[in-house]
Amino acid sequence: AQSVAQPEDQVNVAEGNPLTVKCTYSVSGNPYLFWYVQYPNRGLQFLLKYITGDNLVKGSYGFEAEFNKSQTSFHLKKPSALVSDSALYFCAVREGRGSTLGRLYFGRGTQLTVWP
Amino acid sequence: SQTIHQWPATLVQPVGSPLSLECTVEGTSNPNLYWYRQAAGRGLQLLFYSVGIGQISSEVPQNLSASRPQDRQFILSSKKLLLSDSGFYLCAWSNPFVGENGEQYFGPGTRLTVT
Repeated sequence: AQSVAQPEDQVNVAEGNPLTVKCTYSVSGNPYLFWYVQYPNRGLQFLLKYITGDNLVKGSYGFEAEFNKSQTSFHLKKPSALVSDSALYFCAVREGRGSTLGRLYFGRGTQLTVWP
Repeated sequence: SQTIHQWPATLVQPVGSPLSLECTVEGTSNPNLYWYRQAAGRGLQLLFYSVGIGQISSEVPQNLSASRPQDRQFILSSKKLLLSDSGFYLCAWSNPFVGENGEQYFGPGTRLTVT
């Protein structure tokens, strides 16, 4: 069964510093992994995904994520945080290949706060 | 391009009243559709999903129901709301074709408060 864990409920970082939001996963087969961001009272916005290929995936707003198969992790990173990055971040893993439903399994979310 | 709409944006309803939330998708055909509930601003709970007209699967037994009367329309309903139904309801769609590595695209959400 697929599952995702986001071990930190809250991450605080100063503006201009690098940020990391952690995610570990458990899947049967090859993982399809996603990051989403949610601003207050808004829907989730897709940031990036890993399907195959290069372990470093680049996405929207300067975010990137590093896929590490041995550690079953998919951490979200940004070299220099902005106050406007403050939001709730969700990691998700997709139901395996062969399923047309494409169900996503979401982590509980990590609240990122960037201090000016 | 594809867009997804939800309405109303906010709703305040008394306990025991009915509910109807609507979601529509434009710019795609035969999407997979999903209803989620987000309580207390955190984790997402999948409530229902649909792979086609009239095809609804429920993830969580509760007093909510869903219907898909048209290809790109997904409705969440209740005959009698409970206080515990309060939350932020999100609709999403994804491309159903095999081979698509299908991220889901979310609507703006409906904030439901049951009083």
